Amino acid sequence: AQSVSQHNHHVILSEAASLELGCNYSYGGTVNLFWYVQYPGQHLQLLLKYFSGDPLVKGIKGFEAEFIKSKFSFNLRKPSVQWSDTAEYFCAVVNQAGTALIFGKGTTLSVSS
Amino acid sequence: EAGVTQSPTHLIKTRGQQATLRCSPISGHTSVYWYQQALGLGLQFLLWYDEGEERNRGNFPPRFSGRQFPNYSSELNVNALELEDSALYLCASSASGGPSTDTQYFGPGTRLTVL
Repeated sequence: AQSVSQHNHHVILSEAASLELGCNYSYGGTVNLFWYVQYPGQHLQLLLKYFSGDPLVKGIKGFEAEFIKSKFSFNLRKPSVQWSDTAEYFCAVVNQAGTALIFGKGTTLSVSS
Repeated sequence: EAGVTQSPTHLIKTRGQQATLRCSPISGHTSVYWYQQALGLGLQFLLWYDEGEERNRGNFPPRFSGRQFPNYSSELNVNALELEDSALYLCASSASGGPSTDTQYFGPGTRLTVL
């Protein structure tokens, strides 16, 4: 079955530290990839997405992600995190049939000030 | 512009009962998706409706069902509730075209607790 793996379950950083959250998906070919964020008490919001084109995708709030086809990866990065980035982050990929969004189990990011 | 709305916010039921959850998509969106977010399991895809038709369903038993109305709002029904159905149920909507074409926008969810 198609799947998405997020390697880090819980990441703890200090403010101004750099962030990289791993995401790997299980199949090749054309992929549509997403990162969503869920801030405490808020609903899931889109951070960024990749459908095609430049594999380095820039999203909101200074986040970016790089699609590396050869590694089946779509890692999320931010050069300098803030306390307000504390949230749960989900990577997602559209399944091969194009009929469903498959999510990873999520990574909880805690940023201390 | 109003986002995806869901009702109720919380729902408490007992084992064996039925639960009905409702979702209104963003204006202009014709696709509605349902997900279950159970503790430690991430989001699992339940159902996709578009233009009133069920387009795809995830790996859930038939007691999870739903429908989409002519105004594109949707209902998720869970029959014969079991304790493990306790979860946050999220609804998302997108413009027509499906997951490989359009971004999904999520609602705040309905927290279902089964006692």
